[in-house]
Amino acid sequence: GAGVSQSPSNKVTEKGKDVELRCDPISGHTALYWYRQSLGQGLEFLIYFQGNSAPDKSGLPSDRFSAERTGGSVSTLTIQRTQQEDSAVYLCASSLAGSRLGFPGELFFGEGSRLTVL
Amino acid sequence: GDSVTQMEGPVTLSEEAFLTINCTYTATGYPSLFWYVQYPGEGLQLLLKATKADDKGSNKGFEATYRKETTSFHLEKGSVQVSDSAVYFCALSDNAGNMLTFGGGTRLMVKP
Repeated sequence: GAGVSQSPSNKVTEKGKDVELRCDPISGHTALYWYRQSLGQGLEFLIYFQGNSAPDKSGLPSDRFSAERTGGSVSTLTIQRTQQEDSAVYLCASSLAGSRLGFPGELFFGEGSRLTVL
Repeated sequence: GDSVTQMEGPVTLSEEAFLTINCTYTATGYPSLFWYVQYPGEGLQLLLKATKADDKGSNKGFEATYRKETTSFHLEKGSVQVSDSAVYFCALSDNAGNMLTFGGGTRLMVKP
């Protein structure tokens, strides 16, 4: 499809298990972002990629969270030893501009991956 | 650090009513400002933006003016429709343009 694709759309897991969330950005978009949306909360920035590098990892909440991007395209967000407080909707967005234009321009969001940790 | 504060919802209006959703921000320098909308069952999408002071962003009958003196970017629409029911997020970019900082979102419900 033409939009940002995320999988799985829903994931239920047990506390302590590892999970991987995948994001397939719009073709040609150089910048990729991960955000987390908890129930009743705003969007919390997690990490940003420009190409394959992540210049800003400041939003990752703990060392259980990691992300990578390969080939300047698909990104995977991994959460190890999940905890109940990790339950949220994880949103991925991509952008054509990134920092080259001095502001991110329009971010295109996927529909999110809803994670529930029991 | 940068932050965005917007009015808590839900905001419930009748069709054709006037809408205002307040948004204020704290940032160093001169950020760009955005409103994003999330319709039920869909991803967030850009509604409008303004990149410098006194700019007015507009789209689909919605407007917002970048007010540096009051650090505000309030969203307005003169006559809402049922189809405008959604969650609205105010956001700003950092100076480097690397990311957006979002407010907590405001749910709008428009009744026929």
